[in-house]
Amino acid sequence: KAGVTQTPRYLIKTRGQQVTLSCSPISGHRSVSWYQQTPGQGLQFLFEYFSETQRNKGNFPGRFSGRQFSNSRSEMNVSTLELGDSALYLCASSLDPWGKTQYFGPGTRLLVL
Amino acid sequence: GQQVMQIPQYQHVQEGEDFTTYCNSSTTLSNIQWYKQRPGGHPVFLIQLVKSGEVKKQKRLTFQFGEAKKNSSLHITATQTTDVGTYFCAGPLNSGGSNYKLTFGKGTLLTVNP
Repeated sequence: KAGVTQTPRYLIKTRGQQVTLSCSPISGHRSVSWYQQTPGQGLQFLFEYFSETQRNKGNFPGRFSGRQFSNSRSEMNVSTLELGDSALYLCASSLDPWGKTQYFGPGTRLLVL
Repeated sequence: GQQVMQIPQYQHVQEGEDFTTYCNSSTTLSNIQWYKQRPGGHPVFLIQLVKSGEVKKQKRLTFQFGEAKKNSSLHITATQTTDVGTYFCAGPLNSGGSNYKLTFGKGTLLTVNP
């Protein structure tokens, strides 16, 4: 079974631009979670989607948004990029959103200049 | 609010020494999960513990779930350089109503001196 895939793997943007990251979950998994990871900051939870609905949301500004499609694929968008948004963005899929094991993708490394 | 706490934040050992990381939850957990993230990689699921007092082993790794199902530990015997990475624990915490969110601890970064 194919794992979680994320595109693109690397991205360089400038301040003020916007970016869209994509995540394809493991086949059959209906829940997708997004995390931001910066050095020494652990996994900062962004949001979780299940059946095209956002079920949980972390403490990030409104510039960070996401959505999930009917095939469970998910996208996250960051508008008006700031230097501090430079990070590894990880997507994880699970069977359902009730605390099941999460399987992480390789991440998208975003650099904001 | 509810949270999952993990200590220590960093641990540096000599190859061959043992290593332990501890995880504590502010509330009883239905299960506790452990993940490992190698440098430059992404978190990978290691194991899940469900029962009170459960102990599971994976080669040199021993995982324990506390009797009250609020704490857990991961112990590595005779560390090797391949053990280097960040170890995260995670548990499902209630996020309101019937919603649960798998909540991760901040992780323990293990470095091993060969």
